[in-house]
Amino acid sequence: NAGVTQTPKFRILKIGQSMTLQCTQDMNHNYMYWYRQDPGMGLKLIYYSVGAGITDKGEVPNGYNVSRSTTEDFPLRLELAAPSQTSVYFCASSYSDRGPYEQYFGPGTRLTVT
Amino acid sequence: GDSVTQMEGPVTLSEEAFLTINCTYTATGYPSLFWYVQYPGEGLQLLLKATKADDKGSNKGFEATYRKETTSFHLEKGSVQVSDSAVYFCALSWGTTDSWGKLQFGAGTQVVVTP
Repeated sequence: NAGVTQTPKFRILKIGQSMTLQCTQDMNHNYMYWYRQDPGMGLKLIYYSVGAGITDKGEVPNGYNVSRSTTEDFPLRLELAAPSQTSVYFCASSYSDRGPYEQYFGPGTRLTVT
Repeated sequence: GDSVTQMEGPVTLSEEAFLTINCTYTATGYPSLFWYVQYPGEGLQLLLKATKADDKGSNKGFEATYRKETTSFHLEKGSVQVSDSAVYFCALSWGTTDSWGKLQFGAGTQVVVTP
């Protein structure tokens, strides 16, 4: 089991560019999540998905989009990157058939927008 | 709304010292509680969990007890090592289907252990 994998590990974007952060899990989890972590801060939920074809906004969704066409993949799209999106992004997944729904995290993508 | 409050860091300790990180929560009812650890440059890993009052979670020498009366879930370790240097996050989850497994995180506490 690879668990949750994320690509790329690092990326530098210019203001106004777009990119997709990839996330894949091989644990057959229905629930998946995207978080951002700003320096010295906790994690804020951007979007989440409870299954293929079903997504919903979290706490800080502005400037991002997601899709979930398969159980395994949950890409995060940044359109028109802004310096405020400089952050570390984590993808996570969890079981859906029983609590307490502990989440499994990927290694993160460090994004800088200049 | 629900919230999790952790003591601010950084917490700096010498090797073999006793570590306590305070965590309290505000929530209606009885959520599940977690401690996650983030080592430098890595993602978060589940350290331990407790799902009901008086449960004690333990792992790698760390312990935390779910205290309903004080709405707390303090993390403790009796003798820390340099390898325990990390950021520790307290979190809660409702564990119900309609919560969709979402976690509410505290801000994290950085722990630095010196030789």
